[in-house]
Amino acid sequence: QKEVEQNSGPLSVPEGAIASLNCTYSDRVSQSFFWYRQYSGKSPELIMSIYSNGDKEDGRFTAQLNKASQYVSLLIRDSQPSDSATYLCAVPTPYGGSQGNLIFGKGTKLSVKP
Amino acid sequence: NAGVTQTPKFQVLKTGQSMTLQCAQDMNHNSMYWYRQDPGMGLRLIYYSASEGTTDKGEVPNGYNVSRLNKREFSLRLESAAPSQTSVYFCASKGSAVADPSGANVLTFGAGSRLTVL
Repeated sequence: QKEVEQNSGPLSVPEGAIASLNCTYSDRVSQSFFWYRQYSGKSPELIMSIYSNGDKEDGRFTAQLNKASQYVSLLIRDSQPSDSATYLCAVPTPYGGSQGNLIFGKGTKLSVKP
Repeated sequence: NAGVTQTPKFQVLKTGQSMTLQCAQDMNHNSMYWYRQDPGMGLRLIYYSASEGTTDKGEVPNGYNVSRLNKREFSLRLESAAPSQTSVYFCASKGSAVADPSGANVLTFGAGSRLTVL
């Protein structure tokens, strides 16, 4: 069974700072990784996916993947209070067909202070 | 564009009662899922249906049954509710990698159903 580990937080950063969220996973053969954002009382929504080593940038968000270290991170630049949410790391499992089903970390709660 | 619709949004049950959570998607997705989310436990997969006509157990299936009624609908049934099933339940769907390679593994979630079992 794959495991996805995240620090539960809360992680508190001031407005305008860089927030760094980390995730480690147990399965060395994992090929794809996903970050979901979940606002309090709402459902998760996909914000980033990454498939290869290195960085992937999308606006203020950067996902970083290091497969050798089994580590994926999410950086949020110029953090805004509206970024305050729980961020979930997700990795496909081997079952559920060729795409696999996603298993989720427990999430890191981010709080951006004005 | 409704996406994934879950009903009911809130439900209070007594121990031993039964109920069915309904889920429907209008995105022509093949795969559908039921997750539960508990404080400190993250999202855990209960059951999934990779395609119409198939269902399989996930990580925490005990106490639940599912039905993939057709391609659009996937219901979750609690036959005899227990306080340990107090949780927020999310239905989700996903398209096929063949039909939409860029969307592979992109889950679209419903708004959630908050269930309390007394």
